[in-house]
Amino acid sequence: GAVVSQHPSRVICKSGTSVKIECRSLDFQATTMFWYRQFPKQSLMLMATSNEGSKATYEQGVEKDKFLINHASLTLSTLTVTSAHPEDSSFYICSARVDTSVHEQYFGPGTRLTVT
Amino acid sequence: DAKTTQPPSMDCAEGRAANLPCNHSTISGNEYVYWYRQIHSQGPQYIIHGLKNNETNEMASLIITEDRKSSTLILPHATLRDTAVYYCIVRPPSGTYKYIFGTGTRLKVLA
Repeated sequence: GAVVSQHPSRVICKSGTSVKIECRSLDFQATTMFWYRQFPKQSLMLMATSNEGSKATYEQGVEKDKFLINHASLTLSTLTVTSAHPEDSSFYICSARVDTSVHEQYFGPGTRLTVT
Repeated sequence: DAKTTQPPSMDCAEGRAANLPCNHSTISGNEYVYWYRQIHSQGPQYIIHGLKNNETNEMASLIITEDRKSSTLILPHATLRDTAVYYCIVRPPSGTYKYIFGTGTRLKVLA
């Protein structure tokens, strides 16, 4: 149980275009999902907290108009990178929080974004 | 900022126990300690968590000191597949329960 998927696993796009990344909890419902970004040889950096049916909460320094998050159902959150630039190239990882007393997170496999 | 401190790297011989330390000296009484690992280019994998007592599951054991200011993750018989970056995380007791990742420990298991 507790499987989280991401789609696509890797994407290459041209500078100035937008890219959508999907995060799904496959066998449980998640009212809260998280989006992280990871640059090579660095740790995961939390970008935002995604809450089903409400606006996402962004971490300091993360542009909400550039990284659009939608959490329309209890099993799906999407991250759209708008007007992508080469510096947005990174590994994007989502997680879904299990709504139990422990509140642990399960992570997706990640999406490798390359902007050319 | 991350609330944990870990050594940047460790080596361990295959078949031996790997003991990964974590310092969380500012932990509060109702904050959990979680351990995850990340194999290259994959999402982090949950290993174990604890609050006050030592914990064991099929993957590892977690030893938390009595004052809760540090903990040790133990992989009893390390294999080459355990080579990964291991993250120790202190999870807040309320709110969104978000994780703030530190730099982790890069464990290399040697044949």
